[in-house]
Amino acid sequence: EAQVTQNPRYLITVTGKKLTVTCSQNMNHEYMSWYRQDPGLGLRQIYYSMNVEVTDKGDVPEGYKVSRKEKRNFPLILESPSPNQTSLYFCASSFRGQEGQPQHFGDGTRLSIL
Amino acid sequence: DQQVKQNSPSLSVQEGRISILNCDYTNSMFDYFLWYKKYPAEGPTFLISISSIKDKNEDGRFTVFLNKSAKHLSLHIVPSQPGDSAVYFCAASAGGTYKYIFGTGTRLKVLA
Repeated sequence: EAQVTQNPRYLITVTGKKLTVTCSQNMNHEYMSWYRQDPGLGLRQIYYSMNVEVTDKGDVPEGYKVSRKEKRNFPLILESPSPNQTSLYFCASSFRGQEGQPQHFGDGTRLSIL
Repeated sequence: DQQVKQNSPSLSVQEGRISILNCDYTNSMFDYFLWYKKYPAEGPTFLISISSIKDKNEDGRFTVFLNKSAKHLSLHIVPSQPGDSAVYFCAASAGGTYKYIFGTGTRLKVLA
C-alpha cells in the first residue's frame, strides 16, 4: 500500500529537549516536504526536498532542521523545541515531474512542547 | 501576509445541492492550484488541480474554476454528499519554486 508514515503520532515533551519526527514514504517519490498546521493559519511549509541531499526552506523554517540522506526518509529535527512549536505536523511526498503534482500526506504528528 | 485566502471558515449545504468553496490569491506568479480534502485525524488528500493555462477542470462531481484576472478560484461539488463533510484547503505554487502556499481551510458540512 502506497503510504507516507510519520512517527511518533503524538508526543508531549519539554522545552529544550531535542526531538526528531521521522517520515518515510514507499512510493519512490523525489519530492518530500514538512508542514505545520495551526488554528486560523492553515498549513504552512517548513522545509522541502527535491531529492537526496537537496533541501530548501519553506515559509517557516526557523527552529527546524531536516536531512535527506536517503530517498525514502525525510526526518524533521527540533534541536531545542519551544512552546511556539506546539502544533500538528504533516509530512508529504510526490513525484517531482512537472509542478502541481499532488502530494501524498502522512496522518500527522501532534507535538506538545511544555 | 496571507497570499492564499479562504474567507469562509465554514459552509453548510443540504445533501444533493451544490457546494461552492472559494479561494483568493494575491501573487500573480502562482501558476498551479490544488484542492485538498481533510478528515479529522487524517492527513490531507488530493482532490483536484488546475494550471493557470486553463480556466476549468472537472473530475466527476468536482469542478475547479480559475479566474486569473480576479485572482480567484472556486471548487464546485455537485451533488454534495454527507461523505464530503470535511475541511477543504486550496494551495498554490509559483513556477519553478516547488514551494506551496495553503489557505486556512473551509469546513464543509453536508446535511442529510
